[in-house]
Amino acid sequence: DGGITQSPKYLFRKEGQNVTLSCEQNLNHDAMYWYRQDPGQGLRLIYYSQIVNDFQKGDIAEGYSVSREKKESFPLTVTSAQKNPTAFYLCASALADTQYFGPGTRLTVL
Amino acid sequence: GNSVTQMEGPVTLSEEAFLTINCTYTATGYPSLFWYVQYPGEGLQLLLKATKADDKGSNKGFEATYRKETTSFHLEKGSVQVSDSAVYFCALATQGAQKLVFGQGTRLTINP
Repeated sequence: DGGITQSPKYLFRKEGQNVTLSCEQNLNHDAMYWYRQDPGQGLRLIYYSQIVNDFQKGDIAEGYSVSREKKESFPLTVTSAQKNPTAFYLCASALADTQYFGPGTRLTVL
Repeated sequence: GNSVTQMEGPVTLSEEAFLTINCTYTATGYPSLFWYVQYPGEGLQLLLKATKADDKGSNKGFEATYRKETTSFHLEKGSVQVSDSAVYFCALATQGAQKLVFGQGTRLTINP
């Protein structure tokens, strides 16, 4: 089955800890994206990558970091510098201008 | 800059009612237009898209027509079901753009 997987679905961390969210795709898409969604809100772009070993900041990159060592994978690290990390995180990959989304990871920082 | 404005929610309808969710956009050039749907606790699913003026995107009984003269891409369905309850996002991508621009989303609730 082709698609985008995000793991885990729910993640709990203590304040001050870094945490890495996984995003994998087997669609052979070049571009990948990370978004943050807060309750009742729209999507805000964190980081995106058009090709391996290259990525750009989105609108709210502060407190986050990414890597793109493989075409299939685009992990997001939420660092302790992120002031309010509790949110729903969505990963997407794109074919031309059409983005396809994973199921999301709900991160709760206690 | 590029922007998308959606109808304010929440929208509540009875089953079998006619649905319209308004979406207007501001963009340079000729953008592609999209509707995504998000069910509770899930990611976004692509519902339909249109890439040029007068194109009609359709899927699962939903339709939207790309109207360049009114810069609109309104989502319609003739007879909604309880299972259509979700949040709907309108979005655009300009030519050569690396990012989507999303509207704020419209929450739809269908009562039996």
